[in-house]
Order: sequence, then C-alpha cells, then structure tokens
Amino acid sequence: EVQLVESGGGVVKPGGSLRLSCAASGFTFANAWMNWVRQAPGKGLEWVGHIRSRTDGGTADCAAPLEGRFTLSRDDSKNTLYLQINSLKTEDTAIYYCVSPSGYLGQGTLVTVSS
Amino acid sequence: QAVVTQEPSLTVSPGGTVTLTCGSNTGAVTSGHYAYWFQQKPGQAPRTLIYDTNNKHSWTPARFSGSLLGGKAALTLSGAQPEDEAEYYCLLSYVGSRVFGGGTKLTVL
Repeated sequence: EVQLVESGGGVVKPGGSLRLSCAASGFTFANAWMNWVRQAPGKGLEWVGHIRSRTDGGTADCAAPLEGRFTLSRDDSKNTLYLQINSLKTEDTAIYYCVSPSGYLGQGTLVTVSS
Repeated sequence: QAVVTQEPSLTVSPGGTVTLTCGSNTGAVTSGHYAYWFQQKPGQAPRTLIYDTNNKHSWTPARFSGSLLGGKAALTLSGAQPEDEAEYYCLLSYVGSRVFGGGTKLTVL
C-alpha cells in the first residue's frame, strides 16, 4: 500500500525557513519523480515543484514564482522527499502535499507564516 | 508559464452526464501532458481520480473516466451522484513544470 506522510510544518515568522519532509512507502521511491503541491486557505491547488529520479538526473524544477526560495531534494536511502523553503512570506501559508507519479497524496502538512 | 483553463462551474442533474475539460494556452493537450484529475470535497484533502490522462485508481468510481477531447483533457462523469458534488482540478505536465487549472466547481442538482 502506498503511503506518503508529510511532516515539518508549523508556525514561522516572515523571513524564516522551514524544511518539510515526506516519507514514502509502498512503491519504488528511487525510480519516482516526486512532486510538491500546496493549497492556500480558500484557494486552489498550486504546483510547487518536482524532482526527477536519480536515473533521470535527480534535478528539480520549481514553479517560476517560487524559484530561488524553494528547493526540492531527496534521500533515496530513506525514501524521503524534502522541501526547503527560505525567506518565508505570509502568502506561503498553505497545506503542503507530496504527490507520487501515480497521484497518491499524503495528508499534508500545514505551514503558517505569521508574525 | 503555461496557463491551464477549466470551466469555473458546472451543474449536472442526478443520474446525468457531464464533461469537465482542461485546456492549455500552449496548444492542444496530448497524452504527453500526462493529465491528472483531482477531486476535492469541502474540508477534505484532494484525491486523485485520474492520472496519465485515463488511468484510474482503485478508489475511482467507475462512472468517472478520463480522455482527450477536442484538444483538451476531459473528465467525464456518467450517472452523477450527489456525492460527486466537489471541486475538480486538472494538472498538466510541461517541460520543466506542471500547472494546475483553476478548478471546476461541480454541482449535482
């Protein structure tokens, strides 16, 4: 059974940093292109970024408005996906979900940016 | 960045059929866009109904199907049920990015 468990969310002040994690199981994580998506309160879904499998280069892309502040990484030995967010802004307040290639989502982790 | 468009809202009668579409400003949507369809009900996390244009999950009701139609990705609901009332989002893949549509609010009435 595929499981994705996000963690690392919380309340952070503007300008702060956070690292989100997504622990994956039930599929061959190392072969998977993994995604992060987010949903701000009352808003639609927004694609954050994806990271390729190591065999496909292991590189990551982020949505253009988020480049420079958001960094995706992965540890295939731990079956874990990460999202580093720096210089947090109030508009980054959202639930962050990791998504597998076949569309499994975790339960999400809430990031609240507030002074 | 590409722009993905969906109908803002649609209404279907119980037992009726409705097609939600997902278009791209870059041109026709093809299988290479690997369209996903997500369903989200109020207060719940989204869940994927369709991935890679027309693949279903074990939890996807048989009345939902994905396809390509008229240059767009399409989600067809045949035999709508009250519990299908929800927001539906499509996601398209491009070189180096993916983009969500703005969502379609589906009312079953």
